[in-house]
Amino acid sequence: KAGVTQTPRYLIKTRGQQVTLSCSPISGHRSVSWYQQTPGQGLQFLFEYFSETQRNKGNFPGRFSGRQFSNSRSEMNVSTLELGDSALYLCASSFRDRSYEQYFGPGTRLTVT
Amino acid sequence: AQKVTQAQTEISVVEKEDVTLDCVYETRDTTYYLFWYKQPPSGELVFLIRRNSFDEQNEISGRYSWNFQKSTSSFNFTITASQVVDSAVYFCAPYSSASKIIFGSGTRLSIRP
Repeated sequence: KAGVTQTPRYLIKTRGQQVTLSCSPISGHRSVSWYQQTPGQGLQFLFEYFSETQRNKGNFPGRFSGRQFSNSRSEMNVSTLELGDSALYLCASSFRDRSYEQYFGPGTRLTVT
Repeated sequence: AQKVTQAQTEISVVEKEDVTLDCVYETRDTTYYLFWYKQPPSGELVFLIRRNSFDEQNEISGRYSWNFQKSTSSFNFTITASQVVDSAVYFCAPYSSASKIIFGSGTRLSIRP
């Protein structure tokens, strides 16, 4: 069974731009969660989607948004990028919502200059 | 609010030694889950174990064992006969439905040959 895939793997953007990251969960998994990992703040929960509905949200500004499609694939969007948004963005999928027995993707490394 | 403390920032041991990673959590919720994840140098987080707050039975899985003590709010993880492949950052993460999953700052474990 294929694992969680994330695209792109690396991304360089400039301040003020917006970015969209994509995540394809493991086949059959309906829950997708997103995380931001930085050296300073560690691993922080962004949001969780299940059956196209946002089920839970972390403490991030409204510039961070996401969505989930009917095939469970998910995208997250960050608008008006700031230098502090440079991070590894991880996507994880699980069969049930709020399970957190999750399978993680390799992440997207975003650099904002 | 939930809080998790992994006081050990880095641990380095020689191969075949036993090593215990500490995790202390705080929560006001009566029902919660505790997780351990591993992040090897490749970057992908790997789910290791989930334990719910009603189940204090300790668990052994191969070289891994977990010691959950609700009275001291600790959920420690032990690797026996460590191997170089165990080198990774290990995260403890509590979760409750009233809150969000929170990851500890992680313990970087280095196993020297």
